[in-house]
Amino acid sequence: DVKVTQSSRYLVKRTGEKVFLECVQDMDHENMFWYRQDPGLGLRLIYFSYDVKMKEKGDIPEGYSVSREKKERFSLILESASTNQTSMYLCASSLGGSGETQYFGPGTRLLVL
Amino acid sequence: GQSLEQPSEVTAVEGAIVQINCTYQTSGFYGLSWYQQHDGGAPTFLSYNALDGLEETGRFSSFLSRSDSYGYLLLQELQMKDSASYFCAVRSDDKIIFGKGTRLHILP
Repeated sequence: DVKVTQSSRYLVKRTGEKVFLECVQDMDHENMFWYRQDPGLGLRLIYFSYDVKMKEKGDIPEGYSVSREKKERFSLILESASTNQTSMYLCASSLGGSGETQYFGPGTRLLVL
Repeated sequence: GQSLEQPSEVTAVEGAIVQINCTYQTSGFYGLSWYQQHDGGAPTFLSYNALDGLEETGRFSSFLSRSDSYGYLLLQELQMKDSASYFCAVRSDDKIIFGKGTRLHILP
């Protein structure tokens, strides 16, 4: 079974802090994604990566950056956390090519005070 | 712009059949997927349609009409454990776009 793990289930940070969210997948998937999920807004794509050291902006990249130094690991960075970044963050991975099937991690619920 | 439309909520009775519709407007289209998400859980993949027609997987079926930019998820013999949110998603060009989700309530 594909396993996608995220570093924390719950996280509380203060405004202005730098926040690192880590995601690891164990199935040698090419593609990795970061989403945030908010009530009534569904899943919105922040960043994605189709290869090591490669990244592409999604629909809402402002205030975020990412890093993919190794194939299995995709990190989301909040350079200076703000209260409007309080959300559920979901990481996903998929095989290369069409990648229609995405496998999601359990999510990190981030609260920024 | 690119958008996917699905009802925000649907209610059905245990043992019945329910259909969740999804219409899409995207710049490119490779296929329509469906995901299920229980409260507090992660989305899990249910089905994928790249071609017109019906795909069946157990109690769940998914349909696609590319000419109508429309698809649906059909759940049969509803069980209480099917209470969840259901998301349609479209692979468009280089990324996947998700709908806002349909909350399915099941009455005993």
